[in-house]
Amino acid sequence: DIQMTQSPSSLSASVGDRVTITCRASHSISTYLNWYQQKPGKAPQLLIYATSSLQSGVPSRFTGSGSGTEFTLTISSLQPEDFATYYCQQSYSNPPLTFGGGTKVEIK
Amino acid sequence: QVNLQESGPGLVRPSETLSLTCSVSGYSISSGYYWGWIRQPPGKGLEWIGNVYHSGKTYYSLSLKSRVTMSVDTSKNQFSLKLTSVTAADTAEYYCARLVPYRGDTSVYVEAFDFWGHGTKVTVSP
Repeated sequence: DIQMTQSPSSLSASVGDRVTITCRASHSISTYLNWYQQKPGKAPQLLIYATSSLQSGVPSRFTGSGSGTEFTLTISSLQPEDFATYYCQQSYSNPPLTFGGGTKVEIK
Repeated sequence: QVNLQESGPGLVRPSETLSLTCSVSGYSISSGYYWGWIRQPPGKGLEWIGNVYHSGKTYYSLSLKSRVTMSVDTSKNQFSLKLTSVTAADTAEYYCARLVPYRGDTSVYVEAFDFWGHGTKVTVSP
């Protein structure tokens, strides 16, 4: 199975900050990488698919990049509604589909 | 708009079988795509359980494969999850979701879960 490792596991940031989250795959997954946002008590929502394509309705302050084994999710200017937990997920090796452990973005 | 809704018992006794159903509206399961189950233990991350196609073809997590069965009822536009011999480790929020191949910038098709149910909490306890 391909293991997905996210860092950091949590971070504190202020509104307006630039935030970067990293996701590393144990083997190359080309660009078969998605990002999800999950708010407390809610289901995850698809944020970015295929490494860098924004899902419909997602603000442009979210960007994704990378290929192979290293990927990043960047929020250019953190907004109050962005405080949530973010998960990466690979679909290069399917099955199984695997998720990263999550990165919780908290208010500083 | 595609909507998914999980249903099933919120409490299951150890060693018994967990049974959940996902009802889909706004899209006919018979039209295609895979349909998945994902769970999240309290305070932890997401774990993929498996996917089922409208034809009944399935893919399961290796760690759960011996205990999992998924099926589809196209007449009711529903799909189901059964997990046998449950233990406290199976206590989690269970989500159903639609798995869709999205075309990325490099023209590869990447499967992603685009619509999710709200989730249903299942506790395994005597």
